[in-house]
Amino acid sequence: AQTVTQSQPEMSVQEAETVTLSCTYDTSESNYYLFWYKQPPSRQMILVIRQEAYKQQNATENRFSVNFQKAAKSFSLKISDSQLGDTAMYFCAFMILNAGNMLTFGGGTRLMVKP
Amino acid sequence: DTGVSQDPRHKITKRGQNVTFRCDPISEHNRLYWYRQTLGQGPEFLTYFQNEAQLEKSRLLSDRFSAERPKGSFSTLEIQRTEQGDSAMYLCASSLSNAEAFFGQGTRLTVV
Repeated sequence: AQTVTQSQPEMSVQEAETVTLSCTYDTSESNYYLFWYKQPPSRQMILVIRQEAYKQQNATENRFSVNFQKAAKSFSLKISDSQLGDTAMYFCAFMILNAGNMLTFGGGTRLMVKP
Repeated sequence: DTGVSQDPRHKITKRGQNVTFRCDPISEHNRLYWYRQTLGQGPEFLTYFQNEAQLEKSRLLSDRFSAERPKGSFSTLEIQRTEQGDSAMYLCASSLSNAEAFFGQGTRLTVV
């Protein structure tokens, strides 16, 4: 079974600053994807960024980037130039390819961006 | 709106009653997933469909829960004889095979 752990229940950051959210996972699989999802107070989950395990290059989407350390089974999210709209719950998620593609989520990190 | 839609958004029911939720996926998506999310926790997988076939069910899905996806379009999730422990947000997501999932806004169930 796969597990995903987010060790930071809550974090805060000043607007325009940079913040890093941590995620570790445990699996014996080799073919998988990792995701960060954002869930704003309206509660619709939105995909932030995706990383394929076979890719060594870290994924980047505008102000969002990841630090994927496969050997350490670590997948952190860095948010640069934080904006008030980044305030949300952030979930790290794991997906085994070609096995139904169900997501296993971590417990989430509540991020508050302060003006 | 071409996203995943769920109905109702909120449902309050008395313990012991049956409830049914509906999910309309993105039209071309062949996969549909149900997740349950309790307050302050990450979503947990319940079940998924590929087209009209229900291919996997979590152990979380007790005998009181049943899901259908007739004709491979919308899906319903029914909970019979609701219990207070069923109170949660029920999320639906859809995807194409081997692509990321898109989530609906969820149905918040409160059992009183």
